[in-house]
Amino acid sequence: AQSVTQLDSHVSVSEGTPVLLRCNYSSSYSPSLFWYVQHPNKGLQLLLKYTSAATLVKGINGFEAEFKKSETSFHLTKPSAHMSDAAEYFCVVSGITGGFKTIFGAGTRLFVKA
Amino acid sequence: GAVVSQHPSRVICKSGTSVKIECRSLDFQATTMFWYRQFPKQSLMLMATSNEGSKATYEQGVEKDKFLINHASLTLSTLTVTSAHPEDSSFYICSARSTGDNSPLHFGNGTRLTVT
Repeated sequence: AQSVTQLDSHVSVSEGTPVLLRCNYSSSYSPSLFWYVQHPNKGLQLLLKYTSAATLVKGINGFEAEFKKSETSFHLTKPSAHMSDAAEYFCVVSGITGGFKTIFGAGTRLFVKA
Repeated sequence: GAVVSQHPSRVICKSGTSVKIECRSLDFQATTMFWYRQFPKQSLMLMATSNEGSKATYEQGVEKDKFLINHASLTLSTLTVTSAHPEDSSFYICSARSTGDNSPLHFGNGTRLTVT
């Protein structure tokens, strides 16, 4: 079965320290992968996307993610967390099934401590 | 970049009434839009796929007669929650793809529906 797994429901970091949000997927196809951020009571904003080009993808606000096919992972990282990064993050996969159906991970809540 | 506008952002209605939520693609044409529902502290649940000029495709378990979707033009899709009940209270989000089947989704800011 195809799926998207965000390995941590909550991640807590101190301001200025690195951020790692983990995402794994299972698929028989070569999917497109996305990370979205959602602030409270807001819609989702695209952080970055992977669509079979460079495996290291740079996004907005200093975030980046690396697609590792051998590990079926697409972890999101940021070298130095900022208070404004506190939000919910969703790993999203498209193209796993026929018809390019989009599948959302369960989300990871990022807390940033001062 | 591609912008999706969703209106209203918040709505409070009484049980038994209907509420319409609009989703507009402001700078691109969207033949397909998607409607999601999000429960507190949970991920997004796809409710239906809205197709311009044809009937929406509903996910399993979503009541077609309760959640009416109309995609009358390439830039507008509407979701109407009919005969609303308190259990319909939720956060509803629409999205659209700007080009191609595999391009990223662009999301509206969501609508917080509270049914009293």
